Amino acid sequence: QKEVEQDPGPLSVPEGAIVSLNCTYSNSAFQYFMWYRQYSRKGPELLMYTYSSGNKEDGRFTAQVDKSSKYISLFIRDSQPSDSATYLCAMLLQGAQKLVFGQGTRLTINP
Amino acid sequence: GAGVSQSPSNKVTEKGKDVELRCDPISGHTALYWYRQSLGQGLEFLIYFQGNSAPDKSGLPSDRFSAERTGGSVSTLTIQRTQQEDSAVYLCASTRSRTEKETQYFGPGTRLLVL
Repeated sequence: QKEVEQDPGPLSVPEGAIVSLNCTYSNSAFQYFMWYRQYSRKGPELLMYTYSSGNKEDGRFTAQVDKSSKYISLFIRDSQPSDSATYLCAMLLQGAQKLVFGQGTRLTINP
Repeated sequence: GAGVSQSPSNKVTEKGKDVELRCDPISGHTALYWYRQSLGQGLEFLIYFQGNSAPDKSGLPSDRFSAERTGGSVSTLTIQRTQQEDSAVYLCASTRSRTEKETQYFGPGTRLLVL
C-alpha cells in the first residue's frame, strides 16, 4: 500500500463547476500537507500548504485537512479552463525534508 | 525573479551510457532536492542537499546514481550505465532554507529517455 493514495482520474467537469480533489494517507505522523498543480511538460507549482488540521482558503482554492480520517481535499470554485492540469497532493513528516507525493489527478475543465 | 532552471530539457541516450543532469536553484536558496517522476511510480524523492551538511541520499535507487552540489549552488545528478527503467522526468527543487521545506519550488525537469 502506498503511503499516499490519490485517484488518478481523469476527471472532466464543465466550466464553472466546483471541483473536489482528494487524497488519503496511512502515516498519521504527517504534519504538512501540500497541493501542487502541474501543467503538461512543466514542473509542479505549489498552490497551497497547510500545517496540521484545518482549512485554508486562497482565492478560488480551499484546502482541507482531516487528520482523524487521514484525508485531505482541495476544492476549486468557479473552475476555469486554465485550471486544467494534474493536481498532486504531497505530505511531509515533522522534521523530515522529503515530500511524499500522491499519484496526481488529471483534471480537465471543459468550456 | 528567476526560478529553478534545469538542463538539458530533454536527453535521449543509449543503454549503458552515462548521463549528467544539471540543476540551478533559485539564487539564495540553500536547500536543494532531486525527485524523479515516472509513469506508475509518481514523484519519488532521490536526494537532498542543505548547505555544507552531508546530503540525504536515502532515495537514490542504486549505486549507479550519484549527485553533487558545488559551491552550495549548482547541482549535478549523474546516472552511470543507464538502464531503460531510468527513463523518467528528473525534477529539481529548492527552498530558501531547511526550515522552509514545505515551500519547495520546482524546475521544469529533464526528460530522460534511455533506448
